[in-house]
Amino acid sequence: EDQVTQSPEALRLQEGESSSLNCSYTVSGLRGLFWYRQDPGKGPEFLFTLYSAGEEKEKERLKATLTKKESFLHITAPKPEDSATYLCAVLRDSNYQLIWGAGTKLIIKP
Amino acid sequence: SQTIHQWPATLVQPVGSPLSLECTVEGTSNPNLYWYRQAAGRGLQLLFYSVGIGQISSEVPQNLSASRPQDRQFILSSKKLLLSDSGFYLCAWSVLRQGRLANYGYTFGSGTRLTVV
Repeated sequence: EDQVTQSPEALRLQEGESSSLNCSYTVSGLRGLFWYRQDPGKGPEFLFTLYSAGEEKEKERLKATLTKKESFLHITAPKPEDSATYLCAVLRDSNYQLIWGAGTKLIIKP
Repeated sequence: SQTIHQWPATLVQPVGSPLSLECTVEGTSNPNLYWYRQAAGRGLQLLFYSVGIGQISSEVPQNLSASRPQDRQFILSSKKLLLSDSGFYLCAWSVLRQGRLANYGYTFGSGTRLTVV
């Protein structure tokens, strides 16, 4: 069964304390892995797409990496404004639907 | 540029009342359209998706229905709301580029917070 699992469910960090969020997946025929950020009461906003193992993407304090079984979202020296829920989704080859993880709620304390 | 409009932002409805949520997309043609529900602290649950006018696929048997009367309009409805219909409803769209999902994936609306009382 196709599945996406994100860990941890919640992560509390001090401002400047770097860490990583994990997204592990089991899906046949991966066609892409997507990271989104969701602020409370808003729709998810696109961050990155990764297509093949070894690929990396960066944006400000965020860097996403991909292996054959999982993806990591590394956050370096986070700021309070990085607090949000981070969602991971994978695209399988049989259709154009995304399979979503439950998300990691990130809280950065000043 | 492409934009997506979803309304209303919040809605409080009594049990047994009807529901109509509307979503419209601008700046693109023939998009794939989606309705998701998100429970508090939970992931996204796909409710319906549509690849064209009048074409609706349901993912979860439930008290809701969807319609696509125009290319860029997607409506979520219910004849009689249940308490369990409460949640955060999100509309999204996507397009295919040369047979491949565009690299930004789905674009989401701002959501509707529905509370059934």
